[in-house]
Amino acid sequence: QKEVEQDPGPLSVPEGAIVSLNCTYSNSAFQYFMWYRQYSRKGPELLMYTYSSGNKEDGRFTAQVDKSSKYISLFIRDSQPSDSATYLCAMRVGTGNQFYFGTGTSLTVIP
Amino acid sequence: GAVVSQHPSRVICKSGTSVKIECRSLDFQATTMFWYRQFPKKSLMLMATSNEGSKATYEQGVEKDKFLINHASLTLSTLTVTSAHPEDSSFYICSARDPAGGYNEQFFGPGTRLTVL
Repeated sequence: QKEVEQDPGPLSVPEGAIVSLNCTYSNSAFQYFMWYRQYSRKGPELLMYTYSSGNKEDGRFTAQVDKSSKYISLFIRDSQPSDSATYLCAMRVGTGNQFYFGTGTSLTVIP
Repeated sequence: GAVVSQHPSRVICKSGTSVKIECRSLDFQATTMFWYRQFPKKSLMLMATSNEGSKATYEQGVEKDKFLINHASLTLSTLTVTSAHPEDSSFYICSARDPAGGYNEQFFGPGTRLTVL
């Protein structure tokens, strides 16, 4: 079993839709949870960073962590064509350097 | 956020040659840098972790004599792919981290597309 599981998609939604992206994980020791956005042929860009369980909101983006279910989500409200990218979840244990990445979900927002 | 650059962005080389990729942290000192490899529609695969002034730590299955990493300063790490072969063709991405500066997360460079003919 992989440490982090993420549905690769592709996911296609109309402009303005609410997008839900999810990852599950198996290691209950993970404490830090990140979402990265990666445009084609570019490096990943940090979007959201959450410590432990709970919600975090930043503009149109909301990150949720449910440690009891080992499940994290990223919600994008009022999706825009510029949101079209691959979204990677990542997580780590404490202050250790090792990041564990999901495979990424490819999202296309259709105008 | 912190800015990390990579050079070159794209390189094409002949089989058997060596290629050097540079990773620089532009506005912070990166005590730790990471090198990843990414295949199409696959996640990032950590190759090695480099700490300034010390030897890199390679992940299992990564040939350290093949992928030479040098982190000579707090703003520069280099990855040299020695005697490159077509199977080394990939997207190589570096990232940098500086806990002392409050950057607990990794900031990624734009990546380098390596094509070995």
